[in-house]
Amino acid sequence: DQQVKQNSPSLSVQEGRISILNCDYTNSMFDYFLWYKKYPAEGPTFLISISSIKDKNEDGRFTVFLNKSAKHLSLHIVPSQPGDSAVYFCAADEISNFGNEKLTFGTGTRLTIIP
Amino acid sequence: ETGVTQSPTHLIKTRGQQVTLRCSSQSGHNTVSWYQQALGQGPQFIFQYYREEENGRGNFPPRFSGLQFPNYSSELNVNALELDDSALYLCASSQLPGRGEQYFGPGTRLTVT
Repeated sequence: DQQVKQNSPSLSVQEGRISILNCDYTNSMFDYFLWYKKYPAEGPTFLISISSIKDKNEDGRFTVFLNKSAKHLSLHIVPSQPGDSAVYFCAADEISNFGNEKLTFGTGTRLTIIP
Repeated sequence: ETGVTQSPTHLIKTRGQQVTLRCSSQSGHNTVSWYQQALGQGPQFIFQYYREEENGRGNFPPRFSGLQFPNYSSELNVNALELDDSALYLCASSQLPGRGEQYFGPGTRLTVT
């Protein structure tokens, strides 16, 4: 049972344009969401997070939007740069895990930025 | 500030054997979590250690066990290896209590033949 879903395995975007990566979840207990980026032969790197009490969080070129009623979040990267080419994972944590962070990950979206 | 390190980088084992993977957490972090990432999948939570005690476990059988040491480094042990245990094993450190981000190591690639 995939509680966190990233339905697009891959995405290609022109350099300078906006990249939008999507993530859906099914567990209503999830209250904290994170995006990680992964390059080959490296571990995932934390990008940005959002608590369920917010609907938007921004950090430089990265913005995460959360729609709780739709159980959907998205990561916007503007403008996209060649160094953004990587696999992006959406992850979620649930209220009962506070103090015990068991992250549930999606299957990832491979983003390719075309120069 | 030292990041999360893992050893070894790659490992090949035979079905039925036992394996130990090691992780050094980022300085200042007291919590270590282990994840298994199969090919084409996202990381799956195995368990977490906080102050040398298991602090949560995912859907993995008891042949997956762990340890955390006083310096917050950690080991993942897998007994009676199966072919399906072939995966990338990721260690992540964080600071509890609190809702902090987890910082991942580069992983250990385990192949079971």
